[in-house]
Amino acid sequence: NAGVTQTPKFRILKIGQSMTLQCTQDMNHNYMYWYRQDPGMGLKLIYYSVGAGITDKGEVPNGYNVSRSTTEDFPLRLELAAPSQTSVYFCASSPGLAPPATQYFGPGTRLTVL
Amino acid sequence: AQTVTQSQPEMSVQEAETVTLSCTYDTSESDYYLFWYKQPPSRQMILVIRQEAYKQQNATENRFSVNFQKAAKSFSLKISDSQLGDAAMYFCAYRSNSKLTFGKGITLSVRP
Repeated sequence: NAGVTQTPKFRILKIGQSMTLQCTQDMNHNYMYWYRQDPGMGLKLIYYSVGAGITDKGEVPNGYNVSRSTTEDFPLRLELAAPSQTSVYFCASSPGLAPPATQYFGPGTRLTVL
Repeated sequence: AQTVTQSQPEMSVQEAETVTLSCTYDTSESDYYLFWYKQPPSRQMILVIRQEAYKQQNATENRFSVNFQKAAKSFSLKISDSQLGDAAMYFCAYRSNSKLTFGKGITLSVRP
């Protein structure tokens, strides 16, 4: 049981480049999330999805886009990368709002924009 | 908006001793969940313990327990018989509806 998987694990981008961070879960969870974690800080929500075809903005959505065409996949797209997007990105999933409402996290992607 | 505050940036504990990590939160809602996550150097976010706000009984998971004070909006984590493997960053998190709000975290070191 793989849980939540993320690719790549590391990536270095040049300013202005674009890339997609991949996230896949095999737990048939309806809810999926993207967070970023800056050094010495907690996680901040970028985007989330409550099911295929439904996405919504979180706390820090600017500079990112998402799509959710299947239950399993929730890619995060960075357009025109900027140094401020240097961070560690986590994808998470949750079965829904019913107890215990736990989110399960992927291993993270470390992104550096130079 | 909900906020989660972890006011202690760092703590240290002697191996086999007990340590308590503090967390407070601010909310106007009555139905929510609280979590403690552990993040070791590998960066993996690991669920330590969770608490449903409607439950008065404090959650326990082996050496980990919480002191949940709903009226005071306080949710502290107690680690008993600390082990070297407990050294990590610990995050307190609040969940209402579909969103998690994290505190800034606390770095716990364990002295052998």
